[in-house]
Amino acid sequence: GQQLNQSPQSMFIQEGEDVSMNCTSSSIFNTWLWYKQDPGEGPVLLIALYKAGELTSNGRLTAQFGITRKDSFLNISASIPSDVGIYFCAGHTISGKLIFGQGTTLQVKP
Amino acid sequence: EAGVAQSPRYKIIEKRQSVAFWCNPISGHATLYWYQQILGQGPKLLIQFQNNGVVDDSQLPKDRFSAERLKGVDSTLKIQPAKLEDSAVYLCASSPPGQGALSTRLFFGEGSRLTVL
Repeated sequence: GQQLNQSPQSMFIQEGEDVSMNCTSSSIFNTWLWYKQDPGEGPVLLIALYKAGELTSNGRLTAQFGITRKDSFLNISASIPSDVGIYFCAGHTISGKLIFGQGTTLQVKP
Repeated sequence: EAGVAQSPRYKIIEKRQSVAFWCNPISGHATLYWYQQILGQGPKLLIQFQNNGVVDDSQLPKDRFSAERLKGVDSTLKIQPAKLEDSAVYLCASSPPGQGALSTRLFFGEGSRLTVL
């Protein structure tokens, strides 16, 4: 079946550093969504992307929908302790199903 | 605006027992989803409803899992009998109606954590 390969699996960075994570697939996706999940909570939507090549920002977060429609990245600039959590990419397949990546666990050292 | 409500938050049962989870989506959201999230993995879709009709249940283990959304609003997910590998967080999500971009945005509840002993 269709899969999203998310990397890196985990990151441990210093406060103030920039972070980059990405998602790739062998299949084409119609939308890309980036979610953040805190412990014991459900995923919360950060950014939604709808067109190939689209670059969208939300505060310190920037995400792009890859030109090939098979990948997306999320950047976090000037990380702060509250950025800690698990980040998931998700994409809508051509058939409309939303598939999630395996997640990137981010830890920020003050 | 109230978010997606789920209950119970936590449930511990023994294998072969049954369990039911309840979800109330955001008011006006026509589409409701149940996802299973095993520890260390991303959510996996179990079933998707559009109003009270099933859109996709291809990954629902139908020999033990069932779900219903009789009146097109709240929904229940049942597992009977439970197995050890069913230990997971069961997430309910809903999305706005329509065909536009906003309808692709899923809003999740806090989840129901199931432990099967």
